[in-house]
Amino acid sequence: DTAVSQTPKYLVTQMGNDKSIKCEQNLGHDTMYWYKQDSKKFLKIMFSYNNKELIINETVPNRFSPKSPDKAHLNLHINSLELGDSAVYFCASSLRGSDEQYFGPGTRLTVT
Amino acid sequence: AQSVTQLDSQVPVFEEAPVELRCNYSSSVSVYLFWYVQYPNQGLQLLLKYLSGSTLVKGINGFEAEFNKSQTSFHLRKPSVHISDTAEYFCAVSGLNRDDKIIFGKGTRLHILP
Repeated sequence: DTAVSQTPKYLVTQMGNDKSIKCEQNLGHDTMYWYKQDSKKFLKIMFSYNNKELIINETVPNRFSPKSPDKAHLNLHINSLELGDSAVYFCASSLRGSDEQYFGPGTRLTVT
Repeated sequence: AQSVTQLDSQVPVFEEAPVELRCNYSSSVSVYLFWYVQYPNQGLQLLLKYLSGSTLVKGINGFEAEFNKSQTSFHLRKPSVHISDTAEYFCAVSGLNRDDKIIFGKGTRLHILP
């Protein structure tokens, strides 16, 4: 039983398109996150939600919009994709903000 | 606010040799500390964590780390590495409040030489 799952695993699309990545956790956690990992493996937090409420919104272009329909799901929608958006996007969850995080397998986004 | 520094971006080591991956943190308050491992093409998974108590923390796959408050360090060690330990290792720190966020270091690539 996968604790944190993401779909799709791979996403190849052209510049200017809009795409979504879905994330679900079955751990009963209250907090969920989106991270972007670049080609140098640097992990940057983008958003954090606690019980469907946005609590962290780092400096991210407003083309990125998270949506949390319930506390088990956190989706990421990206408008007008750019070449620089190519990266691996990870979803994660934790019981509280300061607790250990459980990561999904990642979504490799390639924008051409 | 907290910050974390991983002093080495890459560490090459021969198989069956010991390894130490260095991590220093900065914080004006008490902290939780974590080490995560990321195997190729996978997500991060927790290796070990320090919350309180004994400063020597044992984790999965034979790894351990020692919390040193005076040196603000949390170095990761393994006495004998295997080829399967090839991965990216991330040190992370958070405050103790429930809404504190975890801050990740930039990662250290462990490269095992045959």
